[in-house]
Amino acid sequence: DADVTQTPRNRITKTGKRIMLECSQTKGHDRMYWYRQDPGLGLRLIYYSFDVKDINKGEISDGYSVSRQAQAKFSLSLESAIPNQTALYFCATSEGTSARYEQYFGPGTRLTVT
Amino acid sequence: AQKITQTQPGMFVQEKEAVTLDCTYDTSDPSYGLFWYKQPSSGEMIFLIYQGSYDQQNATEGRYSLNFQKARKSANLVISASQLGDSAMYFCAMRAQSRQSSTLGRLYFGRGTQLTVWP
Repeated sequence: DADVTQTPRNRITKTGKRIMLECSQTKGHDRMYWYRQDPGLGLRLIYYSFDVKDINKGEISDGYSVSRQAQAKFSLSLESAIPNQTALYFCATSEGTSARYEQYFGPGTRLTVT
Repeated sequence: AQKITQTQPGMFVQEKEAVTLDCTYDTSDPSYGLFWYKQPSSGEMIFLIYQGSYDQQNATEGRYSLNFQKARKSANLVISASQLGDSAMYFCAMRAQSRQSSTLGRLYFGRGTQLTVWP
């Protein structure tokens, strides 16, 4: 089984709808992250959490919210989806904040907002 | 602030040849880590190699090596003996390490280089 899972893997939704993307991990890591990927822009950080009680905004948090329900679960919500939120969304985890700790990525959620 | 620059949107290489993917970075943090990830067409992000800013040796992982030139702030990925399966998007990323850094733990990505290996 995958260490970092994301649900759903694909989603098409309409403008104005609320949608939640879920991430679960079995790696036992405290640090979790949400990124979005747009063609030609690489990955950009939306939110990150260093433990259940610590949640921080990334560089593009507007229009998004998150919830860290448990050490293993980190959800991303779009309260009112808009077309420019169409992107590939990744959840990631890491063991620590030391630079040498790589981030482990989930398989991604492809979101389309029409 | 951290910044990663990948100036090659696309690269082409013939099978079995070596290829270098460029990455330059900018940071004021004295301690940091540099990563390369591979993203095949299926979309997943695959970790390839890591280089610490204080590492004396250039990192190597199988056919991947990192040409780290600290003074020039460059961390180029070298893939030796390219294979058709190496065709993918490659991302360079950086993470600050010093505890004083306001960006501790966050990973910053470049825009990626699309590598195509042809037979």
